[in-house]
Amino acid sequence: GAGVSQSPSNKVTEKGKDVELRCDPISGHTALYWYRQSLGQGLEFLIYFQGNSAPDKSGLPSDRFSAERTGGSVSTLTIQRTQQEDSAVYLCASSLTSIHEQYFGPGTRLTVT
Amino acid sequence: AQSVSQHNHHVILSEAASLELGCNYSYGGTVNLFWYVQYPGQHLQLLLKYFSGDPLVKGIKGFEAEFIKSKFSFNLRKPSVQWSDTAEYFCAVAGDAGNNRKLIWGLGTSLAVNP
Repeated sequence: GAGVSQSPSNKVTEKGKDVELRCDPISGHTALYWYRQSLGQGLEFLIYFQGNSAPDKSGLPSDRFSAERTGGSVSTLTIQRTQQEDSAVYLCASSLTSIHEQYFGPGTRLTVT
Repeated sequence: AQSVSQHNHHVILSEAASLELGCNYSYGGTVNLFWYVQYPGQHLQLLLKYFSGDPLVKGIKGFEAEFIKSKFSFNLRKPSVQWSDTAEYFCAVAGDAGNNRKLIWGLGTSLAVNP
């Protein structure tokens, strides 16, 4: 079946602009995670959704970052007033339930100029 | 604090050589352990996982890993590597309690296998 998809695959934006990143999880997967992969920092957890609620937002780096999930499916990660340090690959993963393995999407490469 | 340490950042091997990549973790509680692989231009994909039971787990493509609880380690091994194993390898840990199974990651090991 279809895997996790993310859009856009690449995004170049100017400093100060807002961006929205989208994740389509595998159908029927209830758990959804966002991670960020940046040079020197490795992979970092951002936020976890169980259904439409986000019981763990502890990894969001600042209040410029927010995320939502609707219909227990699609999730969007929004970064307001982007900064150069936000440049990274943003990865989304979903799992059937929270105790199952996570399947990753291809990521969105964000470049802030 | 929860953390994962991968000992080798870059490894270069010739085909047919044996591979062992080290991974140690720091986590207060029961854990689930994972190795993920990212081939050039591809998504992260699961190589193998340990949840419970036999501490020696076998994954795809001839990889295996051994969970040694007393050493907080989960080293990845393969007896004979191939050129197609060239990739980035990530060790990760998740807590075993509750619903949140967020992954804590090592920095990764870049493996290059020369034909």
